[in-house]
Amino acid sequence: AQSVSQHNHHVILSEAASLELGCNYSYGGTVNLFWYVQYPGQHLQLLLKYFSGDPLVKGIKGFEAEFIKSKFSFNLRKPSVQWSDTAEYFCAVNVLKGYSTLTFGKGTMLLVSP
Amino acid sequence: EAGVTQFPSHSVIEKGQTVTLRCDPISGHDNLYWYRRVMGKEIKFLLHFVKESKQDESGMPNNRFLAERTGGTYSTLKVQPAELEDSGVYFCASSPNPRYGYTFGSGTRLTVV
Repeated sequence: AQSVSQHNHHVILSEAASLELGCNYSYGGTVNLFWYVQYPGQHLQLLLKYFSGDPLVKGIKGFEAEFIKSKFSFNLRKPSVQWSDTAEYFCAVNVLKGYSTLTFGKGTMLLVSP
Repeated sequence: EAGVTQFPSHSVIEKGQTVTLRCDPISGHDNLYWYRRVMGKEIKFLLHFVKESKQDESGMPNNRFLAERTGGTYSTLKVQPAELEDSGVYFCASSPNPRYGYTFGSGTRLTVV
């Protein structure tokens, strides 16, 4: 069965700092990759996704992620974070086999101080 | 387009009681999922419906959990009797095509005391 590992459980940054959240998955076949975000008091929202093609994908609010197949990684980046980016971030993988379901990592809580 | 709606948003019940959670997916989405997040843990898959049929219920923890989706529209998740370890946030999601991601509801926070 596939699994997703997020390296950091808590990250604290100052505004304007650069962000990189690590995500690795374990599965040998073809996958779709996702980053979801949950802002305080809100529902899970899709930040960005990778299906195929250009391994560098851009999402909403200035986020991007790079799929490195050889490293089974899909790290999330943002060059300059804002206080409003304070949220919990989840990496997820969807195996392209049958009726697939999302497998999530444990999440990374990001706190951006003003 | 209305999103995925879940209610109640919060529920506090005593151990041994019964609770029913409801999810209204986006209209036309055949695929409906239930996930759960226990505090400090990852979001875990519980169940997948395609229309009214259970496609995959491998994530259901035990037979105290019963999910239904009558008529292929809204779904309910009943916990009977509730135990302390059932506390967590229960998420519902729907999708027209699961390979391309889901739309999640805001979740139901269940606390069993």
